[in-house]
Order: sequence, then C-alpha cells, then structure tokens
Amino acid sequence: SQKIEQNSEALNIQEGKTATLTCNYTNYSPAYLQWYRQDPGRGPVFLLLIRENEKEKRKERLKVTFDTTLKQSLFHITASQPADSATYLCAPSAGSSNTGKLIFGQGTTLQVKP
Amino acid sequence: DVKVTQSSRYLVKRTGEKVFLECVQDMDHENMFWYRQDPGLGLRLIYFSYDVKMKEKGDIPEGYSVSREKKERFSLILESASTNQTSMYLCASSTTGRAQETQYFGPGTRLLVL
Repeated sequence: SQKIEQNSEALNIQEGKTATLTCNYTNYSPAYLQWYRQDPGRGPVFLLLIRENEKEKRKERLKVTFDTTLKQSLFHITASQPADSATYLCAPSAGSSNTGKLIFGQGTTLQVKP
Repeated sequence: DVKVTQSSRYLVKRTGEKVFLECVQDMDHENMFWYRQDPGLGLRLIYFSYDVKMKEKGDIPEGYSVSREKKERFSLILESASTNQTSMYLCASSTTGRAQETQYFGPGTRLLVL
C-alpha cells in the first residue's frame, strides 16, 4: 500500500540556519507532491506544490526538491525565523494521476530558537 | 480568499449519540473532504465528494456517513459516537482541473466522546 514517512522527531534549529525536512514515499509514484504548514489548533495551510517532472521549486525562503528515483522530497527553509515554528506536512497525490486526493504524512514539528 | 468554516471548534458528546459536523466553503469548489487527525497518524481521509449528492469512501469510513445536498456544504455524521472517534476533524475543499490539487482547510473541530 502507499506509504508516506516523515521524521516524527521534532527538529530544533537556531534562528538563521536552514531547516531541512524529509518526506519519503513507497510503493507508488505520485504525480505531484505538496507541503502544508499547520499551527497548533488550526487547519493545514498550503505552501508549495512540485510535480513529478520538476526537480526543484522555490518560493521566497522555501525550497522543495522531488527525487523520483529516491522516492523522496526535501523541504528547506532558509534563514529560519521563530515564526517558522510549526508542523510541516508532506502530501503526495494519491496515485499517479490527478484525482485531487492526497495522502498526508504524519508531519514534522519544527522549532526555531531565537 | 477561500474560506472554509466548520460549525464548532470544540464538541463534547456521549457514547451512542448521533453527531453532526458541518462544513461550509464559499468558493464554489466542487470537491470537499473530511479527514480526522490523530497524534502520530497524520490526516486520514474519511469521505470525499466530487459533486452535490456524490460521495466516495476514503481510507477510514467505518462508523461515519456524509451528506452533500448543496455544493457549499458537506456534513459528516457519526451515527453512534464511540470513544475511539475522539479526534480532531478537518474539512477541506478544492476546485476541479489542475487547480484541484490544492486543498483549503477549515479550522477543525476537536471532538471528545465520553
């Protein structure tokens, strides 16, 4: 079955450093992959989408890579700030076609210390 | 901006009660989703709907039903609440076509079943 794995351990980094979060998927090839941010007690908010034919996508301080050979996506936040502290969810599409459905990872909590 | 609202932020119910969770979106989206989120398990899809009166089971539909009588409203029904349905419930919506890939979430309903 399709499986999504994110590092369940919290990631603690110092302000100004680059945070790197990992998402691995197994047993299928998603057409695209999204990253969402979730703050405590709130719903997830969309950040970035990357398609299977794209290697890298950037948006301001955010960068996402998509390695279909390794079946892995990396999510980077450069020059991190305390306001970046949140849980980040990886969400590949459910299957190789665009059905609008996603499979969510369990999320990695990032804590940026001043 | 897309707005997805959920009828309650917090809800406390007794075992065996019938529970209704309501979700409304204001962007004329065709697709609507209900997830539950539990620690360590991520978001799991309960049901989704591609159109009015259309519904499809997600990964964990047991013990739940849904209703979509109007395009903007998607209701989740717990026919007879049980303690293992204590969870955070999140509603999301998306449009069709390529843009359907991004889901917009409501704030969530935290349900406690005693």
